[in-house]
Amino acid sequence: GESVGLHLPTLSVQEGDNSIINCAYSNSASDYFIWYKQESGKGPQFIIDIRSNMDKRQGQRVTVLLNKTVKHLSLQIAATQPGDSAVYFCAENNYGQNFVFGPGTRLSVLP
Amino acid sequence: SAVISQKPSRDICQRGTSLTIQCQVDSQVTMMFWYRQQPGQSLTLIATANQGSEATYESGFVIDKFPISRPNLTFSTLTVSNMSPEDSSIYLCSVDNGQGYTGELFFGEGSRLTVL
Repeated sequence: GESVGLHLPTLSVQEGDNSIINCAYSNSASDYFIWYKQESGKGPQFIIDIRSNMDKRQGQRVTVLLNKTVKHLSLQIAATQPGDSAVYFCAENNYGQNFVFGPGTRLSVLP
Repeated sequence: SAVISQKPSRDICQRGTSLTIQCQVDSQVTMMFWYRQQPGQSLTLIATANQGSEATYESGFVIDKFPISRPNLTFSTLTVSNMSPEDSSIYLCSVDNGQGYTGELFFGEGSRLTVL
């Protein structure tokens, strides 16, 4: 079946730098993607989503890029702050099938 | 966005016992889901809780082990039966945003179970 994975399981960045978290997916039919943030002891929190008819979407300090050619999704966080430290999951959905979550990347923000 | 409350938030359980987790949503929702998150891992869907009918289980999960109730559009329970240490996980209740599978999922804070 389809799977969603990440290139980097852990990422450490300096406070104020930009962060890039990557996600690879194998199902080319997936049409909807979400990035979630999960802080310690909490449930996943929606950050941003993107549909397959777009290749870029911006939010507040976050940008999601979708490259359907190579089946790659990335989350960019500008001016990373200590509060951004968390585990980030990508999730994909294929036309009404259940969401499939990636393995997660832990982002650590260094002072 | 929906506000989802789960109880208990955490518990320590003895091997062989069963525990029921409750999920309450502040608004009526069509789709409710139960996920498992094993330590240091990602989220795996256990089942979709259907109102008025039996839950739909994913491969690897069975009703005898994880019975689910959905008596109305705002409430669901998940029971973890005959627990073993391998069941130590975070169990998460989730609802959709009313747009079915094409919309975002909202999650509760999770119920962290430790089985001794």
